[in-house]
Amino acid sequence: KQEVTQIPAALSVPEGENLVLNCSFTDSAIYNLQWFRQDPGKGLTSLLLIQSSQREQTSGRLNASLDKSSGRSTLYIAASQPGDSATYLCAVTPRDKLSFGAGTTVTVRA
Amino acid sequence: GAVVSQHPSWVICKSGTSVKIECRSLDFQATTMFWYRQFPKQSLMLMATSNEGSKATYEQGVEKDKFLINHASLTLSTLTVTSAHPEDSSFYICSAPGNSGSSYEQYFGPGTRLTVT
Repeated sequence: KQEVTQIPAALSVPEGENLVLNCSFTDSAIYNLQWFRQDPGKGLTSLLLIQSSQREQTSGRLNASLDKSSGRSTLYIAASQPGDSATYLCAVTPRDKLSFGAGTTVTVRA
Repeated sequence: GAVVSQHPSWVICKSGTSVKIECRSLDFQATTMFWYRQFPKQSLMLMATSNEGSKATYEQGVEKDKFLINHASLTLSTLTVTSAHPEDSSFYICSAPGNSGSSYEQYFGPGTRLTVT
């Protein structure tokens, strides 16, 4: 059974600092990996999707890397802003059935 | 991008009653949709896979007679919580895979907050 772990569980940084969020998974036979953002009481917003054949994806201040052989992905958020405060979830799928990590709750202090 | 909607966004019901939650893919067809449940400060747990025109597939530990799923069309799946109890209070989220090439990116609805009193 696929297990997804996210470290740290919570993170608090001053505005402007770069964020590094980690995700690890036990079964490397994945189809893709997605990073999501969830605001309190809200649904999920997809941030980045990395297909298993890719090593990274970038969107604006966000960059996600994938090392499938070691079962790891890292989400980098450059120059953090208070609006980046949210819970970030990673999820992997063998095809279309997602397994989620517990998330990293980020607080960016102004 | 693909949009998934849910209705209602929140609902309060009395113990013993049934509640129906709708999940719609607005601008694409979805032969498969997924239903998740999320308790406070916890991650999403997959409850079941909804298949258009056939029976849903439930994850281990999820009571299929309590959580009825109907996927009657290519754009609509419904989850009915029958004989709801306070422990069913949770955040229910649906998703559908967008068939964009081979990526199978998942698109999520905004969620439905269910409170059973």
